[in-house]
Amino acid sequence: DAGVIQSPRHEVTEMGQEVTLRCKPISGHDYLFWYRQTMMRGLELLIYFNNNVPIDDSGMPEDRFSAKMPNASFSTLKIQPSEPRDSAVYFCASRPRGGTGGDTQYFGPGTRLTVL
Amino acid sequence: KQEVTQIPAALSVPEGENLVLNCSFTDSAIYNLQWFRQDPGKGLTSLLLIQSSQREQTSGRLNASLDKSSGRSTLYIAASQPGDSATYLCAVDNAGNMLTFGGGTRLMVKP
Repeated sequence: DAGVIQSPRHEVTEMGQEVTLRCKPISGHDYLFWYRQTMMRGLELLIYFNNNVPIDDSGMPEDRFSAKMPNASFSTLKIQPSEPRDSAVYFCASRPRGGTGGDTQYFGPGTRLTVL
Repeated sequence: KQEVTQIPAALSVPEGENLVLNCSFTDSAIYNLQWFRQDPGKGLTSLLLIQSSQREQTSGRLNASLDKSSGRSTLYIAASQPGDSATYLCAVDNAGNMLTFGGGTRLMVKP
């Protein structure tokens, strides 16, 4: 398997623009996670899905952030409008169905977002 | 709210040394604890996962221990190599699937 695939790998945009990050999880994995990593706050969970359904979005910082998972092989994280403080590396991860806490998460390479 | 702390934040050692990375957490009601490795510009790679009922896990030169009652975990790396240079992250799963990460330990192993 190719692992978790994220696109784009790098994104530079101007404040106020809409940004869409994409993720393809590992085939057969039931869970999908979106994380954000910054120097100041480290790695933070934003939202996660189980079988395409959002389960917990308490980490989503503001209404400007939204995430969707229209099918088992694709998810998007959208920021509209973007702000400079959204600059970070955004990771997508997936894991297979298993006992709660029983399986590790597999991370994609990340998307480095810079908002000017 | 769970808080995870990793000490030291950075570590530089000569090749061949055995070393210990520390992780502490405030809420002991965990499902599991995981250690990840992150190389610059890359994603995270899982190294070891310790279930809440386990005391340790081993993989090659790596050994991770878990003491839930004291809220501590250690990652032991034997005979360190330059290829071990990376950032090591500890993550605690409290609520099933919701990982809380520590700030990481940046390790450099000098040849």
